[in-house]
Amino acid sequence: EDKVVQSPLSLVVHEGDTVTLNCSYEVTNFRSLLWYKQEKKAPTFLFMLTSSGIEKKSGRLSSILDKKELFSILNITATQTGDSAVYLCAVGVANDYKLSFGAGTTVTVRA
Amino acid sequence: DAGVIQSPRHEVTEMGQEVTLRCKPISGHDYLFWYRQTMMRGLELLIYFNNNVPIDDSGMPEDRFSAKMPNASFSTLKIQPSEPRDSAVYFCASSLLWTGGLYEQYFGPGTRLTVT
Repeated sequence: EDKVVQSPLSLVVHEGDTVTLNCSYEVTNFRSLLWYKQEKKAPTFLFMLTSSGIEKKSGRLSSILDKKELFSILNITATQTGDSAVYLCAVGVANDYKLSFGAGTTVTVRA
Repeated sequence: DAGVIQSPRHEVTEMGQEVTLRCKPISGHDYLFWYRQTMMRGLELLIYFNNNVPIDDSGMPEDRFSAKMPNASFSTLKIQPSEPRDSAVYFCASSLLWTGGLYEQYFGPGTRLTVT
């Protein structure tokens, strides 16, 4: 059975801090790893990492994929209160089109 | 584009009643997914469709749950009879297939279901 584990489960930081979120996975025939941000509504897409794209960056957010060690990291620098959310990691496998989601990391950024 | 549209946004019903949730995917997307999210179990895939055909319904919890996709722009998830443990947020998501796999899934706003 596919397994996606996120850590930590939650964390509290102050504005301006840097946050590092972890996602490890155990799946057969890995194809892609996706990061989503979920505020009090639907998950919104952040990044997709694949064999051909193991590093992504958008503004203060960046993510890397380590296919050898089977994990990904999502970094948020210079955090703002608007970064407060649940961050979800999901993994897709070859020959299947569903995603397996981790439990999420709840990030709280205090002013 | 309006994104994925779901209705109703909130539903409160009594145990034993039938509940129907509706979803309109993004135009042109050929994959549609139904998820359920709870605090205890997180985000779980219930069923997904490709070109209106159900591909994998292994996540459907039991026979009380059924889903249909009569055309490319509409899908329903029905619970009959509903039970208090069905209380959750139900999300619909859609995606597009490319040669390297699926593009990211786009989620609708969800339906918050409360069964009393």
